Amino acid sequence: QVQLVQSGAEVKKPGASVKVSCQASGYSFTGYYIHWVRQAPGQGLEWLGWINPRSGGTSYAQNFQGRVTMTRDTSISTVYMELSRLRSDDSAVYYCARVPGNYLVFFDYWGQGTLITVSS
Amino acid sequence: DIQMTQSPSSVSASVGDRVTITCRASQGISSWLAWYQQKPGKAPKLLIYAASTLESGVPSRFSGSGSGTDFTLTISSLQPEDFATYYCQQATSLPPFTFGPGTKVDIK
Repeated sequence: QVQLVQSGAEVKKPGASVKVSCQASGYSFTGYYIHWVRQAPGQGLEWLGWINPRSGGTSYAQNFQGRVTMTRDTSISTVYMELSRLRSDDSAVYYCARVPGNYLVFFDYWGQGTLITVSS
Repeated sequence: DIQMTQSPSSVSASVGDRVTITCRASQGISSWLAWYQQKPGKAPKLLIYAASTLESGVPSRFSGSGSGTDFTLTISSLQPEDFATYYCQQATSLPPFTFGPGTKVDIK
């Protein structure tokens, strides 16, 4: 069965960086784009960007340009999302999610989420 | 960017009620829309894509309709496990892939 398993919660200080992993299993890793979405406490869902696991190509939301980097390691079917220069308002649950097709961009499988807390 | 709005922001309903949630896009998105259900502490779950296609395993009491800018999610007979927050998302190929602000369905 398709699974996306994310790394555990982290606490970071303002200005630091965090790197979250998302390991895929149960399907062809390089066949499906992975996106990252975050959710601040009590808030809605915000899209951060995507990575093409086959090519490593990426696209980031304008709000995160220059602060977010998405990479992958095909040998272990894992994608990573690194967010730098953390601020308190980056405190959120970060999700990875798979897109099943080439046209409509919706998310059929999600990771369990990783809570990132930014606090001095 | 395509902006998504939802109404109402919350609705109180009873088991067995019919519930309708509306989603509006700031520009036409054809049928490129998805709906998700999220329960506290859990990841969103895909319910519907392409505006009206039910994801495998989702109960048939959920249905979606609409195209262009106006869409609806209907729960025909609310069940106890349906109390959750529902989000729409624009699913065109144009980023950012924005979500609506959510509609919370709670117990009357």
